[in-house]
Amino acid sequence: EAGVAQSPRYKIIEKRQSVAFWCNPISGHATLYWYQQILGQGPKLLIQFQNNGVVDDSQLPKDRFSAERLKGVDSTLKIQPAKLEDSAVYLCASLGLTGLVTEAFFGQGTRLTVV
Amino acid sequence: AQTVTQSQPEMSVQEAETVTLSCTYDTSESNYYLFWYKQPPSRQMILVIRQEAYKQQNATENRFSVNFQKAAKSFSLKISDSQLGDTAMYFCAFMKHRSSGTYKYIFGTGTRLKVLA
Repeated sequence: EAGVAQSPRYKIIEKRQSVAFWCNPISGHATLYWYQQILGQGPKLLIQFQNNGVVDDSQLPKDRFSAERLKGVDSTLKIQPAKLEDSAVYLCASLGLTGLVTEAFFGQGTRLTVV
Repeated sequence: AQTVTQSQPEMSVQEAETVTLSCTYDTSESNYYLFWYKQPPSRQMILVIRQEAYKQQNATENRFSVNFQKAAKSFSLKISDSQLGDTAMYFCAFMKHRSSGTYKYIFGTGTRLKVLA
């Protein structure tokens, strides 16, 4: 089966500009996560969707970050305006079954550099 | 709230030797899952091994095995016969079932492992 697709792979923007990331999860996966991974740190959950509904966005900086999953499949994450501290890798993951165990499948991430 | 702690920011091991990466977690749940992920420079998160909390037997996948101590809330990863390709960041992760019917996934801060030739 195809994996989780993310684009773009890299993005460089100036501070105060806006940027959007796209994620296409594995077909049939209802749960989708967006994580922010700052260099040298572990992934931090930004937002979790179940189909097209938000389950957890408690760590999403809502003054500048937004995300949507309108049809319960693809998702976009937007930052507007970007700050220097937003430089990170943004990982998308979807949840599915491997055998009898539920586990997350990850995309390759988008590396954002804000200058 | 659940937390996952990896106390070793960096480790190194000689090729063909054995290394153990530590992970502790905090939860009041009795049913959950634990994972070890490998993240090479390509940034792709690769599942190494998983453990269901209700299982007493430690999971093993080829050269990788875990020591799961539920009472101590400890979940260490042992890599035997280390290979150069094992060089990567390793993340411990915790997953539990939410009351809403979804799953919460939390990661530790990671351990950078370098295998030396």
